[in-house]
Amino acid sequence: AQSVTQLDSQVPVFEEAPVELRCNYSSSVSVYLFWYVQYPNQGLQLLLKYLSGSTLVESINGFEAEFNKSQTSFHLRKPSVHISDTAEYFCAVSLLYGNEKLTFGTGTRLTIIP
Amino acid sequence: DTGVSQNPRHKITKRGQNVTFRCDPISEHNRLYWYRQTLGQGPEFLTYFQNEAQLEKSRLLSDRFSAERPKGSFSTLEIQRTEQGDSAMYLCASSSRDGPNTEAFFGQGTRLTVV
Repeated sequence: AQSVTQLDSQVPVFEEAPVELRCNYSSSVSVYLFWYVQYPNQGLQLLLKYLSGSTLVESINGFEAEFNKSQTSFHLRKPSVHISDTAEYFCAVSLLYGNEKLTFGTGTRLTIIP
Repeated sequence: DTGVSQNPRHKITKRGQNVTFRCDPISEHNRLYWYRQTLGQGPEFLTYFQNEAQLEKSRLLSDRFSAERPKGSFSTLEIQRTEQGDSAMYLCASSSRDGPNTEAFFGQGTRLTVV
């Protein structure tokens, strides 16, 4: 079975400062990796995903994540955060072969301090 | 709006009552998933449909839970004899099999409170 660990339940960051949200996973087989974002009172939205190819993936709003197979990590980073980035961020994995069900971490609440 | 729609958004029920939630996926999506999210946790997989066939159920889905997807369109999740531990956000997601691991689109969820 696979599992996802997000060690930081809450991360406060000053506006325009950089941020890193950590994600580590465990799986005996290869997985796809995802970051989902949940803004207040909204549903989950896909932020970015790693399926194959370049280990660095980017989102349209300035976030990026790097797949590190040796460290089984998929940390999310942004060089300069904005108030609008306040949300809960979930890391998730799914198996390469199967029904694409997602296994989520417990989430990291990102709070931007003006 | 052509996203995933869930109804109701909120449900308060007394312990022991039955409740039913509905999910309308994106119309061309053949895959549908139910997840449960409790406070401070990430969503946990409950069950999966491909078209009308329920292909996988989590052991979290006790015999008080049943899900259907008649005709491969909308889906319902019923909880019988609700317990306080059933209080959670129930999320529905849909996707289409179109290439390697396509994106799952989530609804806004149904928040269940059992009192």
